[in-house]
Amino acid sequence: ETGVTQTPRHLVMGMTNKKSLKCEQHLGHNAMYWYKQSAKKPLELMFVYNFKEQTENNSVPSRFSPECPNSSHLFLHLHTLQPEDSALYLCASSQVSGNTEAFFGQGTRLTVV
Amino acid sequence: AQTVTQSQPEMSVQEAETVTLSCTYDTSESDYYLFWYKQPPSRQMILVIRQEAYKQQNATENRFSVNFQKAAKSFSLKISDSQLGDAAMYFCAYRETGVIKAAGNKLTFGGGTRVLVKP
Repeated sequence: ETGVTQTPRHLVMGMTNKKSLKCEQHLGHNAMYWYKQSAKKPLELMFVYNFKEQTENNSVPSRFSPECPNSSHLFLHLHTLQPEDSALYLCASSQVSGNTEAFFGQGTRLTVV
Repeated sequence: AQTVTQSQPEMSVQEAETVTLSCTYDTSESDYYLFWYKQPPSRQMILVIRQEAYKQQNATENRFSVNFQKAAKSFSLKISDSQLGDAAMYFCAYRETGVIKAAGNKLTFGGGTRVLVKP
């Protein structure tokens, strides 16, 4: 257990469904991130939250909607997704500054059918 | 924008031998951090080693060591005495110092290198 927990581990959803991914960290960090990992592509940063405020939206389509109610929880709300959105979604947390690495969850494997 | 490039999609190594993974990056910053992460089939991204750009000494963690060439913007990872458990995807990553609050702590990753270990 790394201190960053993602649920669910696997998700299959239709293009008209609405679902949410959840991430929780128990490390006392103040920054949280969503990354997308697709086959044959580098990890893509989607969103950054520092001190619960969104500081980065890497041109992510509006069908992905993040929410950070507090420094320990991060959600990614999904609606009307496309098959090309199928990927591994990784959550990470860290301190905003200083020499600390990011800690990752085990990811949610999302399949859009 | 910072970019990280890993030119080797896959590397194979015999158990107990040594393998070196290459990584180059592009930045205009003088102070930053570099990391190597390991992602085994379990998908868990695990930090292997880190290097601060202001330190000239290469980082070492047990069987893992780096060759950091700041002028060349090169950051290679050497795995010595390879073990079966070393088989995984390895990602090189770059991060700014994060001193400015808005910049945060975001990591920019390379495309990854798959390491295969032959018994």
